[in-house]
Amino acid sequence: ETGVTQTPRHLVMGMTNKKSLKCEQHLGHNAMYWYKQSAKKPLELMFVYNFKEQTENNSVPSRFSPECPNSSHLFLHLHTLQPEDSALYLCASSQLPPGQGADTQYFGPGTRLTVL
Amino acid sequence: GQNIDQPTEMTATEGAIVQINCTYQTSGFNGLFWYQQHAGEAPTFLSYNVLDGLEEKGRFSSFLSRSKGYSYLLLKELQMKDSASYLCAVRDSNYQLIWGAGTKLIIKP
Repeated sequence: ETGVTQTPRHLVMGMTNKKSLKCEQHLGHNAMYWYKQSAKKPLELMFVYNFKEQTENNSVPSRFSPECPNSSHLFLHLHTLQPEDSALYLCASSQLPPGQGADTQYFGPGTRLTVL
Repeated sequence: GQNIDQPTEMTATEGAIVQINCTYQTSGFNGLFWYQQHAGEAPTFLSYNVLDGLEEKGRFSSFLSRSKGYSYLLLKELQMKDSASYLCAVRDSNYQLIWGAGTKLIIKP
């Protein structure tokens, strides 16, 4: 059971398409995260939001555009992606922002993205 | 650079005990996490260690040695449902989480 939901669970898109991933957390947390998970590689942190403000952008290409309208919702807008962007995209949330104590991150089930 | 090492894959027998090791080289240390991830599902939090020693939670235990840059996750009385990937992550001096690539654990009857 998870307090973090993600839609869609699976997405296939062409390189010229525009799509959005959605994440919602029902835990009352203040920080939200986007991660990329590729096979047999460590999780890659993409973006961090703390109280709706973006606090981190780990050199992510501009074809990925995050949006955080409030502390419960997080979007990842996708456009002109490349086949190497195919991966599992995970959303997470934590009660405390990064850097404040032993904040545990709670993950959603992810969106499996395939770029053709 | 910062690095987390854990075995890529391990196999164990139902009912047995398995130990999954994690070694880390990071700029500073502010805690170590273990997560479990079943195929196609969300990673779920298992344990957190910040001081040296053993933390026990039912069938799962996690050990930390900061001086050796080493942790292990010990799973006892293995069940088929324990087949999953186990992710080790270390929080560095900037409170960034550095992740390992995960260990895929296969349980055989």
